[in-house]
Amino acid sequence: QVQLVQSGSDLKEPGASVKVSCKASGYTFTSNGMSWVRQAPGQGLEWMGWINTNTGNPTYAQGFTGRFVFSFDTSVSTAYLHVSSLKADDTAVYYCARVAGSRPHYYFDYWGQGTLVTVSS
Amino acid sequence: QSALTQPASVSGSPGQSITISCTATSSDVGSYNLVSWYQQHPGKAPKLMIYEDSKRPSGVSNRFSGSKSGNTASLTISGLQTEDEADYYCWSYAGSTTWVFGGGTKLTVV
Repeated sequence: QVQLVQSGSDLKEPGASVKVSCKASGYTFTSNGMSWVRQAPGQGLEWMGWINTNTGNPTYAQGFTGRFVFSFDTSVSTAYLHVSSLKADDTAVYYCARVAGSRPHYYFDYWGQGTLVTVSS
Repeated sequence: QSALTQPASVSGSPGQSITISCTATSSDVGSYNLVSWYQQHPGKAPKLMIYEDSKRPSGVSNRFSGSKSGNTASLTISGLQTEDEADYYCWSYAGSTTWVFGGGTKLTVV
């Protein structure tokens, strides 16, 4: 069965960096893109973008360019979200989600359990 | 501000039916673009409930159905159960290689 297992919660100081991992199993990793979704405390879901795990081409949503980088390692079927120069308002739960469907009618059929990143001094 | 507008909250009683709307506010998010719906219980990851406007993934109760008319997609839950109390989000393509979630709707089963 398809599973996405994310890395554990992390506490970082402002200005630091964080790398969240999302290990996929139960399917061929390169068959589906991987998306990242942010949810700040008490807020809604915010699409951050996605990465094509075939070509390596990332697409970043508005507001998630510059400090946010998507990557992956096919040898371990794992996608990564790297956030640099962390700010307090980056405090959120970050989800990875498997991309399904045909462009542009994508949808997310499986989700990771979420990783809480807290930015505080 | 999301290009997809949802009511902030809806409520219903057990056994009733409710409908959550998702209206495109931009001309880029039109009737052509297919909508999916996600359920999120507090502290849990979202779960796909409806994709491509009206298709239901395996394992999702047939009490959940999706439809669309013009620029408005709808999620209907029939025979409401207490376990349906959750937040619901719609999602669609917004044009210019960007995709967007609706603002979310809190469903209360009273």
